[in-house]
Amino acid sequence: AQSVTQLDSQVPVFEEAPVELRCNYSSSVSVYLFWYVQYPNQGLQLLLKYLSGSTLVKGINGFEAEFNKSQTSFHLRKPSVHISDTAEYFCAVSVILTGGGNKLTFGTGTQLKVEL
Amino acid sequence: GAVVSQHPSRVICKSGTSVKIECRSLDFQATTMFWYRQFPKQSLMLMATSNEGSKATYEQGVEKDKFLINHASLTLSTLTVTSAHPEDSSFYICSASRGLAGGIKYNEQFFGPGTRLTVL
Repeated sequence: AQSVTQLDSQVPVFEEAPVELRCNYSSSVSVYLFWYVQYPNQGLQLLLKYLSGSTLVKGINGFEAEFNKSQTSFHLRKPSVHISDTAEYFCAVSVILTGGGNKLTFGTGTQLKVEL
Repeated sequence: GAVVSQHPSRVICKSGTSVKIECRSLDFQATTMFWYRQFPKQSLMLMATSNEGSKATYEQGVEKDKFLINHASLTLSTLTVTSAHPEDSSFYICSASRGLAGGIKYNEQFFGPGTRLTVL
């Protein structure tokens, strides 16, 4: 079975400062990795994903993440945050199901709070 | 493209009643739909996976007789919470994915905006 760990439940940061949200995973098979953002009372929006290829993945809103297989990590970074980045961020892994399709397993989420 | 809607966005019901939540893929055919439940300030927990025209596959611990899922068409799945109780109050989110084709192994899920269920 696969699992995702987001050690930081909350990350406060000042506007225009850099931020890193940590994500570690465990799986006995190859996985696909994702970061989603959720604004209050809304569904999830995909920020970026790693399927294969380059380990540095760039997403929307200036976010990027780096897949590190040896450390089983997929940390999310942004060099300069904005107030509008305040939201809940979820890391997720996906494994291929027997018979096709994928199943997502989510971490517990990190609340990013950007302050003036 | 790849828009998923949910209806209603919010619903309040009395204990013992049943509530139906709809999940629609607006601009694509969704071979598979997923239903998640999210408690306040917690992560999403997968409840069940449904493929069009077949019975849903429920995750361990999810009562299939309480959470009825129907995926009657390639654009619509419904979740019915039967005999709802206050502990069923939660945020329910659906997602939808297209069919796999061309040897592609990954099938992106597109998420709906969620439905807030409050059972009094």
